[in-house]
Amino acid sequence: GAGVSQSPSNKVTEKGKDVELRCDPISGHTALYWYRQSLGQGLEFLIYFQGNSAPDKSGLPSDRFSAERTGGSVSTLTIQRTQQEDSAVYLCASSLRTTEQYFGPGTRLTVT
Amino acid sequence: AQSVTQPDIHITVSEGASLELRCNYSYGATPYLFWYVQSPGQGLQLLLKYFSGDTLVQGIKGFEAEFKRSQSSFNLRKPSVHWSDAAEYFCAVGAMDSNYQLIWGAGTKLIIKP
Repeated sequence: GAGVSQSPSNKVTEKGKDVELRCDPISGHTALYWYRQSLGQGLEFLIYFQGNSAPDKSGLPSDRFSAERTGGSVSTLTIQRTQQEDSAVYLCASSLRTTEQYFGPGTRLTVT
Repeated sequence: AQSVTQPDIHITVSEGASLELRCNYSYGATPYLFWYVQSPGQGLQLLLKYFSGDTLVQGIKGFEAEFKRSQSSFNLRKPSVHWSDAAEYFCAVGAMDSNYQLIWGAGTKLIIKP
């Protein structure tokens, strides 16, 4: 079956612009995660959605970052007024209760 | 505090040689343990996982890992590496009572010498 998909695969934007990153999780997966991976670094947790519960936003680095998940499926991560330090690969993962996360290929964001 | 430590940032191994990547964790609950691999420019792929039972688990691509509770370790091994194993490897730990979230290690980059 289809895995986790993310779009766009690459995004170049100017400093100060807003960007939206999309994640399509595996069908039926109730949990969805966003991570950020800076060059040569590990994974930085951003936000977690589980079913209809309120999301865990504890990893969002600033109020410029927000995410929503519509209909328990597709999720959009929005970064407002992008800064150069936002440049990174943004990874999305989904899972079905067992903590085993399935990852998408990521979106590489470059802020110039 | 909950944490996962991968002590080696880089490891270089000759093709055909054996490999062991270290992972130590600090976790209050009974852990679920994972190893993921990230090839250059790719997302993360699950190599293997430990939930319970046999402490030696087999994964894909010929990898295995052993859970040692007394040492709080979950080291990844492969008897003979191939050039295609060059990648970054991440250890992660979670538990059912952590709302299924994972704590991630910083990763170990594996370099294969021809």
